[in-house]
Amino acid sequence: AQKITQTQPGMFVQEKEAVTLDCTYDTSDPSYGLFWYKQPSSGEMIFLIYQGSYDQQNATEGRYSLNFQKARKSANLVISASQLGDSAMYFCAMREGRPGGGNKLTFGTGTQLKVEL
Amino acid sequence: GAVVSQHPSWVICKSGTSVKIECRSLDFQATTMFWYRQFPKQSLMLMATSNEGSKATYEQGVEKDKFLINHASLTLSTLTVTSAHPEDSSFYICSAYPGTVHNEQFFGPGTRLTVL
Repeated sequence: AQKITQTQPGMFVQEKEAVTLDCTYDTSDPSYGLFWYKQPSSGEMIFLIYQGSYDQQNATEGRYSLNFQKARKSANLVISASQLGDSAMYFCAMREGRPGGGNKLTFGTGTQLKVEL
Repeated sequence: GAVVSQHPSWVICKSGTSVKIECRSLDFQATTMFWYRQFPKQSLMLMATSNEGSKATYEQGVEKDKFLINHASLTLSTLTVTSAHPEDSSFYICSAYPGTVHNEQFFGPGTRLTVL
């Protein structure tokens, strides 16, 4: 089974609107972390937001928020007030186990977001 | 924030030659670095986990003799693609983990390899 599933290969949103990018995950480890990264056409991976499995509140970072529904195993990214510069590929990723040097990330297949005027 | 550099940013080589890619953590020490490979329009696939002073741990299906990884110091890991072939053409990205203060890995800008 896929550990990270992103079901939206592509999304369009109008400038200034909010958009939700879906991510579901599968793990039996009680301790895990969920990440969202943005990859513009230049290729660099830009960290956006992190949610730990034991965090009680949903993570927020500026215009980014993570809608964490633990029972449903979903960690959707919400981008508010979309900007043209938000057009990029977005990846959801999971780290299983507690934070540590050896804990690798598993990435989803990504969602290509295009912000339109 | 933590900065990771990669060199070169792009390289074109002839089939059969070897190419070395460097990954450096510029303002922190990283006992663990990771090497990923990404084909166009696809996700990042972990190739190997690089630990300072020890052998790398390769993911299933990755040829360790083909992709040589050396983690010589706490700030430098290298990936050498040996006897490169056109099918090795890809985007290679490294990341480094600064420690438990941070939750996230920090990624380098990537190296685009084209093998002719």
